[in-house]
Amino acid sequence: QQQVKQSPQSLIVQKGGISIINCAYENTAFDYFPWYQQFPGKGPALLIAIRPDVSEKKEGRFTISFNKSAKQFSLHIMDSQPGDSATYFCAASLLPGKSTFGDGTTLTVKP
Amino acid sequence: DAMVIQNPRYQVTQFGKPVTLSCSQTLNHNVMYWYQQKSSQAPKLLFHYYDKDFNNEADTPDNFQSRRPNTSFCFLDIRSPGLGDAAMYLCATSRDVSGDEQFFGPGTRLTVL
Repeated sequence: QQQVKQSPQSLIVQKGGISIINCAYENTAFDYFPWYQQFPGKGPALLIAIRPDVSEKKEGRFTISFNKSAKQFSLHIMDSQPGDSATYFCAASLLPGKSTFGDGTTLTVKP
Repeated sequence: DAMVIQNPRYQVTQFGKPVTLSCSQTLNHNVMYWYQQKSSQAPKLLFHYYDKDFNNEADTPDNFQSRRPNTSFCFLDIRSPGLGDAAMYLCATSRDVSGDEQFFGPGTRLTVL
């Protein structure tokens, strides 16, 4: 049973637009929800993360919205840029800290 | 700069020929992880070490082994690589297991001929 479901699989956005990627999880015991950005040939890098005691976290153009009752969280990228083109993974972590990853979303931002 | 280093970046081996991938970290983190990532898929955790305590995922094949001789180094041994083991292997570290950020290395791309 997949514990973290991510959608869409791929996303194409025009420069300056808003990119939205959604994730849903099953296990209510998850207590840490990071988003990772991965460029081709590179390892994933933490982009932004949230804990379930807050509903939203914003860092620059990146915002996580978290809905605990619906067991869903999403990444919003405002003013998307071609340099944001990458694969994005959501994840959920449960003590002792192992992350379960979503299947990833390939974002393409067109100039 | 503190970082996670993986060597080699690209490894080619023959079917059935043992191979070892290495990871080192200058972050002095307690936890080290090995992930397998196949093309267009999410990273899949193989195992992790909390200090010297080894934790194997239930579905990690016996073909995969790991060693952590000290805090800084961790090795992934593939005893008899099959064609299905061709993948990117990612090493990651975290300060603790309490949901802290994981820092990933650049990965080693393994090709099995």
